[in-house]
Amino acid sequence: DTEVTQTPKHLVMGMTNKKSLKCEQHMGHRAMYWYKQKAKKPPELMFVYSYEKLSINESVPSRFSPECPNSSLLNLHLHALQPEDSALYLCASSQDSRGRETGELFFGEGSRLTVL
Amino acid sequence: AQKITQTQPGMFVQEKEAVTLDCTYDTSDQSYGLFWYKQPSSGEMIFLIYQGSYDEQNATEGRYSLNFQKARKSANLVISASQLGDSAMYFCAMREGWAGGFKTIFGAGTRLFVKA
Repeated sequence: DTEVTQTPKHLVMGMTNKKSLKCEQHMGHRAMYWYKQKAKKPPELMFVYSYEKLSINESVPSRFSPECPNSSLLNLHLHALQPEDSALYLCASSQDSRGRETGELFFGEGSRLTVL
Repeated sequence: AQKITQTQPGMFVQEKEAVTLDCTYDTSDQSYGLFWYKQPSSGEMIFLIYQGSYDEQNATEGRYSLNFQKARKSANLVISASQLGDSAMYFCAMREGWAGGFKTIFGAGTRLFVKA
């Protein structure tokens, strides 16, 4: 079983809806990530949180709003999405830079989003 | 800027035989890490193997080995004794040094088909 839990596993929403994706990890990792993956494409980095602060935003449209309430939780708030935003959204976590960390990403199973 | 290239969109291998999946990378950092992840049709990203840029020996994990040629900037994955369950998408990935998170980018992926 994965140690990174994402909910919901599937989400269908209209373009005017507001919804949220949630991610939780209890491995003590201090870096958390959101990736977007379109069908038959590699994951693309969206956001990185380090010690609960947003450290990397890969020029993601403002209709995606990340939030890190504490070191174990990561949310992605969705508003006014477009059909082209339909994708698999993957959450990941990693250890921080102390020591000889590999930087391995631990992924959740993903939330499959469909925007109608 | 980081770049990862996987030139094999699809590969076929006979069960019990070995297969090599190609990966080349480009970075200006001296410290970086290389990964291979497996993604079955279920969508979860499964970590397979890691190679650090300063590691002198090639990494091995069970049936997986990473053929690291630093001067050529290549990090090929070798899967020995292929099994039917190895059929999946395989991504080569690279992260540079800590920058408020380990920014990891992925290659386009190689779809592996194992034939009985």
